[in-house]
Parts: sequence; structure tokens; C-alpha cells
Amino acid sequence: DVVMTQSPLSLPVTLGQPASISCRSSQSLVSSDGNTYLHWFHQRPGQSPRRLIYKVSDRDSAVPDRFSGSGSGIDFTLKISRVEAEDVGVYYCMQTTHWPPSTFGQGTRLEIK
Amino acid sequence: EVQLVESGGDLVQPGGSLRLSCAASEFTFSAHWMTWIRQAPGKGLEWVASIEPDGSEEFYVDSVKGRFTISRDNARNSLYLQMNSLRAEDTALYYCAQGLWLDSWGQGTLVTVSS
Repeated sequence: DVVMTQSPLSLPVTLGQPASISCRSSQSLVSSDGNTYLHWFHQRPGQSPRRLIYKVSDRDSAVPDRFSGSGSGIDFTLKISRVEAEDVGVYYCMQTTHWPPSTFGQGTRLEIK
Repeated sequence: EVQLVESGGDLVQPGGSLRLSCAASEFTFSAHWMTWIRQAPGKGLEWVASIEPDGSEEFYVDSVKGRFTISRDNARNSLYLQMNSLRAEDTALYYCAQGLWLDSWGQGTLVTVSS
């Protein structure tokens, strides 16, 4: 199974400042069809997760453009250009290239300083 | 807006069985893969199982193979997870989600396995 490793696991950020979360896979996530199936999710406290980004960098509808995804191969990054209060919670990366099984990172907890 | 509503979670003894349901609406259910994800208390997310749009193929995480069965009724826009031989480590909030890429999620239903 592909192991997904996120860092940091805890991310204190000042409001209005940028934030960055790294996700590294144990093997390349480039599929035989040329696509890379790496996705990002956000789970606010007490809520269900929701997807923010799919296929590395495609932002879901209604997701603010301060969120962006990038990366290739085994290294991926989720960036928030200016953190807002509603961005607190846990962020997860997930790969579906080498499925089954889909595998998630451990999660990164973002908090406001 | 996609709606996914899970039900069926309960307290069950080790070795027991439970059937979870997920009622889907506001999208063409029969055209989509569907997935169950679980989250143990205070822990991260774990993919459990997925099923093809027509129900012809199912896929499971190794830890539930032979114990859990994912199924669907496209006429009723419903997804199911039959869980047998339940273990303490199956205790979790179980979410149903649309697609393999988890486009939308339900609110979850809690399964507690304890004596």
C-alpha cells in the first residue's frame, strides 16, 4: 500500500498569514493514464470532511481561491495564501492512483495562534 | 446539492453484526461509484470499501475483507454496509461518500463495538 506522510502534523498560524502543508507519498502518484490522483480534504471541528482540491491542483466549487494545490511525483503541497478563522481544523491528503486501497495522510491540524 | 444521510450506527458487542445505510439524493446515484470511509475516535480517515455504479464489483481494505459487505440498491438510491464479526477496532464514525475521489460526504453514523 502507498504510505502518505504529511508534515507538519500541527500548524499554528496567525490570521492573515500564509500556511503550507506537505504531503509525500511512498511511491510516485503518476498514473498510467498520465494523471496524478492526489486530493486534499478539510475537516472542521465536529464536522464531516469536505474535499478542497482534486487531482493535485483542481479546486472544488465554492472553495476560496486562497487555497491552492501543487506538486508532482511524490511531493505535494497545499497552500493557504492568507489564513482565515474558518480554516481551522484538520487537513488530509489522499491518493487514489494506486487504488485499492485509497490511502490518507495522518492529517495536519491547523490552529490560529 | 448532493445529500448523503447515513443511519444504522449503534452499540454492538464484539462478534456482533450491524447494517449501515446511506440514503442519497440530488444526484444520479446509479451513475456514481460510492465509498465508505471510517474515522476512529480522535483518529484520522480510513478508506473501508467502494462499489461500482452497477454494483458489479466491490473493493475492501484488507482489515474488513470477509467480514464487511458493501452493496447498493440503485432503485432506492441507497448504499449499504453489512458488518459482521465486529471487533473493538471497528469502532468509528462511518461516512458514506460519493465517488472514489470522495466528492461529497454524509454526516456519519457512529458504530461502537464494546461489551
